[in-house]
Amino acid sequence: QQPVQSPQAVILREGEDAVINCSSSKALYSVHWYRQKHGEAPVFLMILLKGGEQKGHEKISASFNEKKQQSSLYLTASQLSYSGTYFCALEAGANNLFFGTGTRLTVIP
Amino acid sequence: DVKVTQSSRYLVKRTGEKVFLECVQDMDHENMFWYRQDPGLGLRLIYFSYDVKMKEKGDIPEGYSVSREKKERFSLILESASTNQTSMYLCASSLWTSGTGGETQYFGPGTRLLVL
Repeated sequence: QQPVQSPQAVILREGEDAVINCSSSKALYSVHWYRQKHGEAPVFLMILLKGGEQKGHEKISASFNEKKQQSSLYLTASQLSYSGTYFCALEAGANNLFFGTGTRLTVIP
Repeated sequence: DVKVTQSSRYLVKRTGEKVFLECVQDMDHENMFWYRQDPGLGLRLIYFSYDVKMKEKGDIPEGYSVSREKKERFSLILESASTNQTSMYLCASSLWTSGTGGETQYFGPGTRLLVL
């Protein structure tokens, strides 16, 4: 049931863009994205709901392909503060989230 | 601001001990969750609760139990701690929805448990 994320890790220079992918074998209500910095709790970034509604962030956007059961997170013009581990979490019903294994993003100057 | 607190940041216990991890949220959320986080495995759901005295098993409930006597408090219990339960434990809460989805989970800071 656990969604699959790719890549597992990525290193960027400041200002570069990145895409993180998340796919599932289950039909989905929604996709959530969280970021966790080292030693801290995961923090909500955005939710993409079935039907295309998106709640998000200025320089971070995402897409949700319901048919393919995939979501992608787009980080534009990355900043040092973007470093952390990004998790997608898939909601298949009943308020539960199934978290992916994470993508470690490192932004260097 | 939603606040989720956990009773300890770090805990060291011996094999066979009974361990209690406490979680409290202050936003009147119906849903509460316990996860464990291990390197390379992401967050895995242990138990969750939609209401007081109500609990549901997650993906990996074996060796754990939970208690929810009050809406704001959700406890995770390791009946007899084992070394393979060494992990980071994260509590989260969210509002309940009627199945349409889309509620954010708010996480506590985590408890890093070491079982010797």
